[in-house]
Amino acid sequence: QVQLVESGGGVVQPGRSLKLFCAASGFTFSNYDMHWVRQAPGEGLEWVAVVSYDGSNKYYADSEKGRFTISRDNSKNTLYLQMASLTTEDTAVYYCARGVATIDFWGQGTLVTVSS
Amino acid sequence: DIQMTQSPSSLSASVGDRVTITCRASQGISNFLAWFQQKPGKAPKSLIYAASSLQSGVPSKFSGSGSGTDFNLTISSLQPEDFATYSCQQHYSYPWTFGQGTKVEIK
Repeated sequence: QVQLVESGGGVVQPGRSLKLFCAASGFTFSNYDMHWVRQAPGEGLEWVAVVSYDGSNKYYADSEKGRFTISRDNSKNTLYLQMASLTTEDTAVYYCARGVATIDFWGQGTLVTVSS
Repeated sequence: DIQMTQSPSSLSASVGDRVTITCRASQGISNFLAWFQQKPGKAPKSLIYAASSLQSGVPSKFSGSGSGTDFNLTISSLQPEDFATYSCQQHYSYPWTFGQGTKVEIK
C-alpha cells in the first residue's frame, strides 16, 4: 500500500537549520510530483513547495523562497526539505504529499518546533 | 498569489443533515479546486479534485461543484465520522493556496 513516512523533525533553535525526510513506498515514486505542506498549531494548511517527478522543476511559497530547498532522490524513493534560518513562525507539522495535478495522498507528518 | 476564502468558518449540524461549505477564489481558477478532510491530530485526507471528481475510495455522499471563482462541497447526509475540518485548495497555479478551513461540529 502507499506509504509516506516523514522524519527529521524536532526542536531547533531560531536561526538554525533542519532537514526533513520523506520515505515513499508502495508506488512508483519517480512518476509523481511531491509536495511539502505544513500546519502551524491550531492553524490551517499551508503549501510549502513542490518538486517535479524528475527533480527538474521546483516551486516554493513566497514566505519560504530562499530559505527552504526541496529535493528528491528517485534512486532512494526519498523526498527532502532543507530548511535554513528558521524562525518561531516555522513551527508546524510538516507533511509530505504525493500528487501530479493535485495532492492525492498524505504522510502522517513530522513536528518541527523552533524555540530557544 | 490566489487567495482562497471559505465560509462559514465553522458550523454545527446534526447527524443526517445535508451540509454545504463554500469556497471562493480571488481570481478565476477554472475547475482546479480540491477539497480535503482533516480530523484532529490526523493527516489530511484528499476528497475531491478538479472541483467535482471524487478521489478513489471516497464515498458518494461527498460532492463538489463550481467553476471559476465559486465552489461548493456538499455532504449529503452527515454521519458521525464526517465531523472534521474541511479545506479547499486551488491547484490552478503555483504557489498553491488553501482556504482557512471549515470546522463541522456536532449540534
